[in-house]
Amino acid sequence: AQTVTQSQPEMSVQEAETVTLSCTYDTSESDYYLFWYKQPPSRQMILVIRQEAYKQQNATENRFSVNFQKAAKSFSLKISDSQLGDAAMYFCAYRSARFGRVGQGGSEKLVFGKGTKLTVNP
Amino acid sequence: DVKVTQSSRYLVKRTGEKVFLECVQDMDHENMFWYRQDPGLGLRLIYFSYDVKMKEKGDIPEGYSVSREKKERFSLILESASTNQTSMYLCASKRVIRAYNEQFFGPGTRLTVL
Repeated sequence: AQTVTQSQPEMSVQEAETVTLSCTYDTSESDYYLFWYKQPPSRQMILVIRQEAYKQQNATENRFSVNFQKAAKSFSLKISDSQLGDAAMYFCAYRSARFGRVGQGGSEKLVFGKGTKLTVNP
Repeated sequence: DVKVTQSSRYLVKRTGEKVFLECVQDMDHENMFWYRQDPGLGLRLIYFSYDVKMKEKGDIPEGYSVSREKKERFSLILESASTNQTSMYLCASKRVIRAYNEQFFGPGTRLTVL
């Protein structure tokens, strides 16, 4: 079964600085998708960025970018020019590209890491 | 915008009570999910539904059941609540068309069982 590991339970960054959140995963599959989700305090979880494993180019969304290292099974999130509104729990997640339902370990199942709490200091 | 709503933000129940958590999505998504979120454990899948009246067990289904009578509504049921079911419960929905489509989450229900 796939697993996702976020080794940093908590991180902090100064406003306007850059921070990188780590994520590693374990899978025997070659085709899959990776996601970073953000959960602000008392607010809904939202998607930050996603990456398809077959794409070599790292995904970028404004101040958010990823460093996807397929061979190392690493998927880190870089937040540039950190803002107070970036303070949140961040979850890394894996989804298989293999068609099938959750009971079959298929593509409808998201496997989450345990999360990293990011604090942004003014 | 996709909207996923949950019936309560906070809920306090007593041990042994039957508890219903309701989730409604307004974008005609085929798939719906119930997760449990605990500090240090991340999100764990309780149940998944891919169609009306269709469901699959997730990683931690024990002590829970679900109901999906209409496409937009997915209910999580605790038949006899216990203190170890005190947690944050998140509902999510997703279109089935493409695997990398994101799941859209509700605001969560923080359930306390006394």
